[in-house]
Amino acid sequence: AQKVTQAQTEISVVEKEDVTLDCVYETRDTTYYLFWYKQPPSGELVFLIRRNSFDEQNEISGRYSWNFQKSTSSFNFTITASQVVDSAVYFCALSESGNTPLVFGKGTRLSVIA
Amino acid sequence: DTGVSQDPRHKITKRGQNVTFRCDPISEHNRLYWYRQTLGQGPEFLTYFQNEAQLEKSRLLSDRFSAERPKGSFSTLEIQRTEQGDSAMYLCASSPLQGPQETQYFGPGTRLLVL
Repeated sequence: AQKVTQAQTEISVVEKEDVTLDCVYETRDTTYYLFWYKQPPSGELVFLIRRNSFDEQNEISGRYSWNFQKSTSSFNFTITASQVVDSAVYFCALSESGNTPLVFGKGTRLSVIA
Repeated sequence: DTGVSQDPRHKITKRGQNVTFRCDPISEHNRLYWYRQTLGQGPEFLTYFQNEAQLEKSRLLSDRFSAERPKGSFSTLEIQRTEQGDSAMYLCASSPLQGPQETQYFGPGTRLLVL
């Protein structure tokens, strides 16, 4: 069975600090996809990134970066120079493909204080 | 390109009543998913469709829950004889069947409160 663990329930940082959100996953599939979603207070889940199991290249998008390591079954997310607008709950998710049901972690609530 | 829409956004009902939620996916997205999210938890999968065919139902989807996508476009999720434990956010998502954009895009959700 697939499982996603986000051990950090809540993180609080001061604006401009860097912060890393951890995600550890379990799957028996050789091919799978990993995702990060952001859920701001409004409640809507916003897609951030998709990564397939064959692509271990790290990715950077502006202040966001992702570190995928199959050896440790981790897909961590780093926000550089955090801003108040980054305050949200962040979910890591796993699926067989991009269009099969997602298995979510419990989320990490990030609070960025001005 | 409009996103996924859900209606209503909020619903308050009394225990024992039936409720129905609607989801309109992104146009031309073949797959449509329903998830439920309770406070402090991640979303949990309920069921999903490819066009009008229901492909999978989670064991979370009790007999009181039924979902349809009659014409392969919008979908409805009905809960009969609601219970207080049904209080949650019900999320709908859609995705294309294949291609580089195989990703689920979520709607704003319907927040249900059962009194």
